[in-house]
Amino acid sequence: DAGVIQSPRHEVTEMGQEVTLRCKPISGHDYLFWYRQTMMRGLELLIYFNNNVPIDDSGMPEDRFSAKMPNASFSTLKIQPSEPRDSAVYFCASRRSRVGEQYFGPGTRLTVT
Amino acid sequence: AQTVTQSQPEMSVQEAETVTLSCTYDTSESDYYLFWYKQPPSRQMILVIRQEAYKQQNATENRFSVNFQKAAKSFSLKISDSQLGDAAMYFCAYFPYNNNDMRFGAGTRLTVKP
Repeated sequence: DAGVIQSPRHEVTEMGQEVTLRCKPISGHDYLFWYRQTMMRGLELLIYFNNNVPIDDSGMPEDRFSAKMPNASFSTLKIQPSEPRDSAVYFCASRRSRVGEQYFGPGTRLTVT
Repeated sequence: AQTVTQSQPEMSVQEAETVTLSCTYDTSESDYYLFWYKQPPSRQMILVIRQEAYKQQNATENRFSVNFQKAAKSFSLKISDSQLGDAAMYFCAYFPYNNNDMRFGAGTRLTVKP
């Protein structure tokens, strides 16, 4: 298995631009998670999906952030418009069932100038 | 609130020696998982070891083992025969059965000296 795949690995954009991060979970995993990692706040859960349905988006910082999962093998996290304080590493993770190991993608390092 | 505390921001160990990383957590739940993740400079979050709270036996994975003290809410990671490749950030994580919000500690940066 290729593991959780994320793209791009690095993204540099200017303030005000739209940013789209992509994730392909491990095949057969029913749960997908988006996390953000910063020095100040550590790892934070933004949103998670179960069977492609968003279950809890209480961690999404504001309306500028949105996430979709149109099918079992693809999810996006969109920031529009982006701001410098959105600079962070964004991780996607997936899990086969409600309990068990959670596997992370390599992360996307986002820099907003 | 369910929090995870890693009280050691940085640790250092000599190659081939043993090091223990500390983790405590706060919860009122009885059923949960605990994990240790390793994050090397590549940023990849790698699962090192897991422990189910209902199991009394401490988990072991090759050179990695845990000391799980449920009553004390303590979950330390022992790395034996440390190798240069063990150098990384290590995160302790708590995951209750009844929701999907895995909580992470702030991390411990481990340096391995040759």
